[in-house]
Amino acid sequence: AQTVTQSQPEMSVQEAETVTLSCTYDTSESDYYLFWYKQPPSRQMILVIRQEAYKQQNATENRFSVNFQKAAKSFSLKISDSQLGDAAMYFCAFGAQKLVFGQGTRLTINP
Amino acid sequence: DVKVTQSSRYLVKRTGEKVFLECVQDMDHENMFWYRQDPGLGLRLIYFSYDVKMKEKGDIPEGYSVSREKKERFSLILESASTNQTSMYLCASSPSPQATYGYTFGSGTRLTVV
Repeated sequence: AQTVTQSQPEMSVQEAETVTLSCTYDTSESDYYLFWYKQPPSRQMILVIRQEAYKQQNATENRFSVNFQKAAKSFSLKISDSQLGDAAMYFCAFGAQKLVFGQGTRLTINP
Repeated sequence: DVKVTQSSRYLVKRTGEKVFLECVQDMDHENMFWYRQDPGLGLRLIYFSYDVKMKEKGDIPEGYSVSREKKERFSLILESASTNQTSMYLCASSPSPQATYGYTFGSGTRLTVV
């Protein structure tokens, strides 16, 4: 079975600092996509960043970047210059057609 | 702006009731999905559909069924609601065939079964 593990149920960071959220997954497939989603209190899931498994280059979107280690099946999210608006639940997900999600990490930003 | 709309934001139902959760997308997407979200468990796939009148079981289909009579609408049905089905339900869609760009999600229905 395909699984995703987010080992940090909660994280907190000072505003303007950097934080890294961890994610590991398990699959026997070689071709898939990986995602980080953000769910603020409004409950609307927002795509933060995506990565194609066949690409070695790590994806970057403004202050958000990933560290993708395919052999280790690891896909961590780094948030630089944390802002109060980054406070949310973050979900890691992967898949080829249907996505498997992790348990989520609740991120708190301290002013 | 593309949208996935879930008809109810909050719903309270009684044990044994038949419950319908509706989801409509305006993006002409082929694929639609129903997940339930529970604290500590993340999102778990209930059912999905790759085309009209097609459906496939996800990881936790027991106690649920689905209907997709039109491309834009995907309904989740709780045949006889039970308290262990109290949860947040998320609908999502994506264009076929691969999940290349991920999903577009609705804003969720928080269902309470009493």
